[in-house]
Amino acid sequence: AQSVTQLDSQVPVFEEAPVELRCNYSSSVSVYLFWYVQYPNQGLQLLLKYLSGSTLVESINGFEAEFNKSQTSFHLRKPSVHISDTAEYFCAVKQGRYQKVTFGTGTKLQVIP
Amino acid sequence: DSGVTQTPKHLITATGQRVTLRCSPRSGDLSVYWYQQSLDQGLQFLIQYYNGEERAKGNILERFSAQQFPDLHSELNLSSLELGDSALYFCASSDFGRPKTGELFFGEGSRLTVL
Repeated sequence: AQSVTQLDSQVPVFEEAPVELRCNYSSSVSVYLFWYVQYPNQGLQLLLKYLSGSTLVESINGFEAEFNKSQTSFHLRKPSVHISDTAEYFCAVKQGRYQKVTFGTGTKLQVIP
Repeated sequence: DSGVTQTPKHLITATGQRVTLRCSPRSGDLSVYWYQQSLDQGLQFLIQYYNGEERAKGNILERFSAQQFPDLHSELNLSSLELGDSALYFCASSDFGRPKTGELFFGEGSRLTVL
């Protein structure tokens, strides 16, 4: 069975500092990997995804994530965070014939002015 | 706007009651997923449908049931409600038939409060 682990439930970081949100998954087959973001009082929305090809994927607002197959990780990074990045971030794995999607428990990123 | 519509947005009811949450997926999406989000449990996968058929089941209680209709909208039925069922219920849809995209599109959720 697939599972997704986000070790950090909360990450406080000062504005303009770098941040890394960790995600590890367990799966014996190939997977699709995603990061979703949830702003307060909103639904989840896709931040970035890895389906195939280049292991480094980027979002339009400066986040990037690298798929590391040997370490079964898909950590999310941003070199300089903004106040507007304050949100909860979910890592997700999609696999299988019927494309079941499993989410991690989420990491709340709090950007401190 | 994700294209996924959920109703009602807010619902307050009493213990022991039954409610129905409705979801209209994005146009053309055949796959619908239901999730429950609560403070103590995080985002929990409940159930997935594809073109009217159940495809995957997660941590869905026996008091809960769902179905997907021929027009592809889905309903989640919650019965014999308990205080612990208070949560935000999300519906998401996916273009299952086009795996190159692969992402889920989420509705804004239905917030259920059981008093």
